[in-house]
Amino acid sequence: RKEVEQDPGPFNVPEGATVAFNCTYSNSASQSFFWYRQDCRKEPKLLMSVYSSGNEDGRFTAQLNRASQYISLLIRDSKLSDSATYLCVVNSNSGYALNFGKGTSLLVTP
Amino acid sequence: EAGVAQSPRYKIIEKRQSVAFWCNPISGHATLYWYQQILGQGPKLLIQFQNNGVVDDSQLPKDRFSAERLKGVDSTLKIQPAKLEDSAVYLCASSWTSQEQYFGPGTRLTVT
Repeated sequence: RKEVEQDPGPFNVPEGATVAFNCTYSNSASQSFFWYRQDCRKEPKLLMSVYSSGNEDGRFTAQLNRASQYISLLIRDSKLSDSATYLCVVNSNSGYALNFGKGTSLLVTP
Repeated sequence: EAGVAQSPRYKIIEKRQSVAFWCNPISGHATLYWYQQILGQGPKLLIQFQNNGVVDDSQLPKDRFSAERLKGVDSTLKIQPAKLEDSAVYLCASSWTSQEQYFGPGTRLTVT
């Protein structure tokens, strides 16, 4: 079983739509969780950390369910510029090293 | 603030040849990582350095891959000999004490 699993999509949504991505992780000892964004042929960049209480950054909301080992990302009022691959990321047992999911591809259309 | 620098940006080699990649992390970042990203997949950690010591190299194919970080700053990753399945983007990242990692633009390697 892979450590971090995501639906690869693609998710095709119209501008203004709300879209949600899910991710599951296998290591119950994982402590830190993130969503990274990767544009086509670019490097990954941190979108937001994910906290147990849930957290919001503008149009983006992240949730963590430790009991189900499940992470989610909700994007409201989608913009064309949100088109990218969203990577679910969980820390490994060796401290700061990160395990990345395969990513979920989002395409926002006019 | 300057970001993570990598070179070269692109490299095409034939199988069985050798290749080296260079990374210069953000100034002051103690931790440096090399990742391999195959098309359609997420980055996979190859090796992690803390200053100039190796923290994790469990997924580095040591029969052909090697990496070093002299003086705890720049790092090089070498592949010798290369195989077709090594075609990928090689990403370098660095971090300070927080777990936010800053990635360089990557080196796109094609092995023919």
